[in-house]
Amino acid sequence: NAGVMQNPRHLVRRRGQEARLRCSPMKGHSHVYWYRQLPEEGLKFMVYLQKENIIDESGMPKERFSAEFPKEGPSILRIQQVVRGDSAAYFCASSSGTGIVSYEQYFGPGTRLTVT
Amino acid sequence: QQQVKQSPQSLIVQKGGISIINCAYENTAFDYFPWYQQFPGKGPALLIAIRPDVSEKKEGRFTISFNKSAKQFSLHIMDSQPGDSATYFCAALTSGTYKYIFGTGTRLKVLA
Repeated sequence: NAGVMQNPRHLVRRRGQEARLRCSPMKGHSHVYWYRQLPEEGLKFMVYLQKENIIDESGMPKERFSAEFPKEGPSILRIQQVVRGDSAAYFCASSSGTGIVSYEQYFGPGTRLTVT
Repeated sequence: QQQVKQSPQSLIVQKGGISIINCAYENTAFDYFPWYQQFPGKGPALLIAIRPDVSEKKEGRFTISFNKSAKQFSLHIMDSQPGDSATYFCAALTSGTYKYIFGTGTRLKVLA
């Protein structure tokens, strides 16, 4: 299965702890996007990355949130000092970034973060 | 300008009926309109998409109707089945960009 992979699927953190969410894009894809979905809401864009570059982080909160996509390994969304309001489903998507269908994004199964 | 308004928020349809979900947008730069289907606990999956150079696209039981002048598009699910019960999201994108704008979702329940 060469789909987008995310882990962990479920993550529970206490307030003040750090959360690390991982995303491995679909095979052959070099563009990664992170979205956040609050209960009963649509997906909100957070950040767009290519290998070793952050292209657009305009949807990310200015503090406590960071993302990276290293040359080797998965993309990581990191949330420091989590608060209850960070509880949400975090989805990663990937695209090939080339050709006419470069904009088609394929989503992973998500990580459901619960902050207690 | 960047919003995509989706309605209804929830929908209940009898098995075999037609499910219709509507979306409206303001930004005329949008030129790619996908629909995503999301089952509980899963990520959104691309269902069908349309570009504004056509008014309708059909794939199996799923049809997108597009009205460029009204800046509206809709998803029709013919012969709805209980297995279609899911949340459906419309989205909009400008070609050459990457920032999808999603609607707020429609929770569809098809009764057996």
